[in-house]
Amino acid sequence: NAGVTQTPKFQVLKTGQSMTLQCAQDMNHNSMYWYRQDPGMGLRLIYYSASEGTTDKGEVPNGYNVSRLNKREFSLRLESAAPSQTSVYFCASRLTGAGEKLFFGSGTQLSVL
Amino acid sequence: AQSVTQLDSQVPVFEEAPVELRCNYSSSVSVYLFWYVQYPNQGLQLLLKYLSGSTLVKGINGFEAEFNKSQTSFHLRKPSVHISDTAEYFCAVSDLKNSNSGYALNFGKGTSLLVTP
Repeated sequence: NAGVTQTPKFQVLKTGQSMTLQCAQDMNHNSMYWYRQDPGMGLRLIYYSASEGTTDKGEVPNGYNVSRLNKREFSLRLESAAPSQTSVYFCASRLTGAGEKLFFGSGTQLSVL
Repeated sequence: AQSVTQLDSQVPVFEEAPVELRCNYSSSVSVYLFWYVQYPNQGLQLLLKYLSGSTLVKGINGFEAEFNKSQTSFHLRKPSVHISDTAEYFCAVSDLKNSNSGYALNFGKGTSLLVTP
């Protein structure tokens, strides 16, 4: 019963490098989300996928792209990393509906030098 | 979109003392409210949620919260805290009118609860 799995757990990049953060859930959830967490800022929504086949921008989408590969997987890509993207990234999923709880992964700590 | 304000960034408290973590949200006729907890180096876990009905909601680990529509507040309380309650606590709101957002949660900035002996 893995829940939401994120890889990698830690990553260090140089400015301008690209990378993809992977997220997979095994709960047959319809909706998936990417948040970033910065000290004193709480969690801010980057992108979300309300259902398989759809993706939309959240509050802070600049510099990121996403792919909902299938119902299980939702990846986040940094095409050209910047120091401002140093953060902890969380993937989350929920079955559907506003009242359902979010299940979170354990996070990816990303440093961009 | 709904916004959430957590009035205290840090709350220090002694073990076995009561605690209240405050949360206010911007006014709307239709919201769901949540409290999540984040222990060090972990993801977030749901403590409790308010969808409708009784305004006093009980959650895990002895926490409870009260929804106050007139004051647009959803404060979290525990009558007696333990060392193990030391964590970051996040209030969140889901705007029922904004289905285009996938009902994504808007989170407050968090309150760091530090329980000391």
